[in-house]
Amino acid sequence: DTGVSQNPRHKITKRGQNVTFRCDPISEHNRLYWYRQTLGQGPEFLTYFQNEAQLEKSRLLSDRFSAERPKGSFSTLEIQRTEQGDSAMYLCASSYGVWASVADTQYFGPGTRLTVL
Amino acid sequence: GQQLNQSPQSMFIQEGEDVSMNCTSSSIFNTWLWYKQDPGEGPVLLIALYKAGELTSNGRLTAQFGITRKDSFLNISASIPSDVGIYFCAGPQGGSEKLVFGKGTKLTVNP
Repeated sequence: DTGVSQNPRHKITKRGQNVTFRCDPISEHNRLYWYRQTLGQGPEFLTYFQNEAQLEKSRLLSDRFSAERPKGSFSTLEIQRTEQGDSAMYLCASSYGVWASVADTQYFGPGTRLTVL
Repeated sequence: GQQLNQSPQSMFIQEGEDVSMNCTSSSIFNTWLWYKQDPGEGPVLLIALYKAGELTSNGRLTAQFGITRKDSFLNISASIPSDVGIYFCAGPQGGSEKLVFGKGTKLTVNP
């Protein structure tokens, strides 16, 4: 078990460019979450998958953001037309969940630090 | 939505001292989680609490799930330099799968 991995660890981009991040969850975990963390704050929920189904999206996730988990394994988070306000740490977490609407213990990856110039 | 209030915001202590921090909410939580985050890394789970009144230890760390379900406490005994970091409490929002986090307690340990 290698834990949750995220790539890249750091991304610097110019405003207006598109970026894509990848998350590989712990192998037996069926749930995958994306969070965003800005300086001095705790992580904020963005979206959540159970297997390949995207079950919930936060209002923080504008239409420039899209997340996929095509085969219920790894996930990608794409930000189109990046803005300076998108600069943050993007964290992925995974868990193994059986019951609906019951929170399971979530394990976080190391995050992708995005800087938009 | 639900919010978690952590205190203190920061602590500066000497190596060997004990530390206590807490987390409160205006809403009831059914699970409390404590995470530690080092700079540039993701949060690492320290302790998970699932039952009101539960007291759970992990080495020098002890956490308690408050009886009212609206608070939780984390204690660190005999602090060491590697305890430095930001400690977050978290819980499931509205009984769902998504977690809501506090703003963290930043711990500095002077050797």
